[in-house]
Amino acid sequence: KQEVTQIPAALSVPEGENLVLNCSFTDSAIYNLQWFRQDPGKGLTSLLLIQSSQREQTSGRLNASLDKSSGRSTLYIAASQSGDSATYLCVTLKNAGGTSYGKLTFGQGTILTVHP
Amino acid sequence: GAGVSQSPSNKVTEKGKDVELRCDPISGHTALYWYRQSLGQGLEFLIYFQGNSAPDKSGLPSDRFSAERTGGSVSTLTIQRTQQEDSAVYLCASSPGTPELFFGEGSRLTVL
Repeated sequence: KQEVTQIPAALSVPEGENLVLNCSFTDSAIYNLQWFRQDPGKGLTSLLLIQSSQREQTSGRLNASLDKSSGRSTLYIAASQSGDSATYLCVTLKNAGGTSYGKLTFGQGTILTVHP
Repeated sequence: GAGVSQSPSNKVTEKGKDVELRCDPISGHTALYWYRQSLGQGLEFLIYFQGNSAPDKSGLPSDRFSAERTGGSVSTLTIQRTQQEDSAVYLCASSPGTPELFFGEGSRLTVL
């Protein structure tokens, strides 16, 4: 059974800092890994998706890496802003039956607070 | 609309009542997922649909929970004889057949 662990559980930093959120997973036979952001009272917003054959993805100030062999992914946020405050979730997808549909496993999330 | 739409956004009900939660996926998305997030808990997988069939119902917590999808579009999650432990935010997500998911805003259920 896949287990996804995120460290740290909570992080508080001043604006402008670069930071790294960590995710580890026990079953490396994943189809992809996705990082989401969750704001209070709202649904999930996809940030970056890394296919199993990829090593990293970048979008603006965000960079996510994937190392399947070690079962790790990191989300790097450059020059953090107060608007980045949210819960960040790491999610793995294992496909069923050779399709792209399958079982998602969510980490518990990292609660990020960026203070002015 | 352009995104996944869920209704109601908030539902307060009395213990023992039945509730229905609705999800309208993005048009053309073939896969649909239901999750729930309880207070202080992570996201818990409930069920996913491929078209109108549900290859994986393993996450439904009890036989009081059921879900259906019609016309390859709208899905309804039904909870019968609600219990206080059913209180949670129920999230729906859809996918166009690529591995990326798009989530709705969720339906917050409170069972008194």
